[in-house]
Formats: sequence, structure tokens, C-alpha cells
Amino acid sequence: AQSVTQPDIHITVSEGASLELRCNYSYGATPYLFWYVQSPGQGLQLLLKYFSGDTLVQGIKGFEAEFKRSQSSFNLRKPSVHWSDAAEYFCAVGAGLGGYNKLIFGAGTRLAVHP
Amino acid sequence: GAVVSQHPSRVICKSGTSVKIECRSLDFQATTMFWYRQFPKQSLMLMATSNEGSKATYEQGVEKDKFLINHASLTLSTLTVTSAHPEDSSFYICSAPGQASGGPNEQFFGPGTRLTVL
Repeated sequence: AQSVTQPDIHITVSEGASLELRCNYSYGATPYLFWYVQSPGQGLQLLLKYFSGDTLVQGIKGFEAEFKRSQSSFNLRKPSVHWSDAAEYFCAVGAGLGGYNKLIFGAGTRLAVHP
Repeated sequence: GAVVSQHPSRVICKSGTSVKIECRSLDFQATTMFWYRQFPKQSLMLMATSNEGSKATYEQGVEKDKFLINHASLTLSTLTVTSAHPEDSSFYICSAPGQASGGPNEQFFGPGTRLTVL
């Protein structure tokens, strides 16, 4: 069965520091992988996605993620965190055939940013 | 990008009553929509897949008689929580796949509906 693991429930970084959020997945075939961000009181916003090609994916707001098949990982990175990045981050795998994929979410990582 | 709306954003009801939540794709058509449930400080759990013109597909463990889903048109899906109880209190989120130039369709999420059952 498909599953997503985000090992870090809560991470705190200082503004300007680099960030890496971990994500490991379990999926039998080539996965469709996503990172979403959820700010308080707002809906989920897609940061980036991977389905094929270059394993380093660039997203919005300066985020990037690297797909590593050998490690079943899709870690999210940002070189310099801003206070506005404080939010909940979800990694997800698309589970299903064709284009209308159901999403299986990880438990999420809550990011706090110190000034 | 594509926009998905939900109504209401927040609802408080008494135990035993039914509550309807609407999910609309505002500028695109969606033959499929997804309903998720999110408990406080937890992840999103897929409840069901709403299919326009046919019955919804429920995930294992989700009571279909409890959570009625109707995909009335290409832009509207509704979730009705019947005979709601306090344990049904949660954040309900819908999503709809939009167009993509390649690969999987991107899911566009509604802002969510906070249901509180007293």
C-alpha cells in the first residue's frame, strides 16, 4: 500500500537559515510526488511536484525538492527561510491510475521560524 | 490558477442534525472531486471520491450512509454529514483536479469547512 512518512513533526529554524524537510514514500511504481503548504486558516497550496525527468524540482517561493529513488525520498529544501514560511508542510504521493490521482498525505511537518 | 470554493467556511450545529457542505470549482469543470477530513494538528485523510453522474467511491472505514456525497454538476459536489455527532467535528476539505500540461493533474484545494457539533 502507498504511504508517506514525514519523520519530523515539528521543526524550528532561525530566519535566514537553510531548511530541509524530510519525506519518505512507499509506492510500487514510479510515484507522483507533491509538496503542499497549509497556512493557518487557508487551503493547501502546491509548492512543487515531481512525476518524471529531472530529479531536482524547483517550486514556488524559493523551494526545491530532490527525488531520490534509491532512498525513496523527496526532501524539500530552501536555502534561506523567511518568517512568512512558518506553516504546515505536507508531502503527498499520487495514488491511482491516469490523471485523477488520489493523494496520500504524510502527517505533516509544522515549521516555526524564529526572528 | 484554478479556484475551488467551499461553503460554509465554518458551521456549528447541534448533535443529531445534518449539515451540508458545498464544494465548487469556479473556473473549470471537474468530473471528479475528492473529500478529505483533517483532525487538529493531523494530516488529511481521504474520505471519498466524488464522481459526476455516478456514485461516490468511499475509502475503507468511511460510512457512506453517514457522509452522503452528491456530485450534482460538473462544478459542484456536496458532502452531507447526516445525524452529526461531536466526534464528527473536524475540518473538511475538498479538492478537484485541474488541467495539466503533462503528468498528473494538479489538485486544487478548497479553503476547508470547520464543522463543530455540539
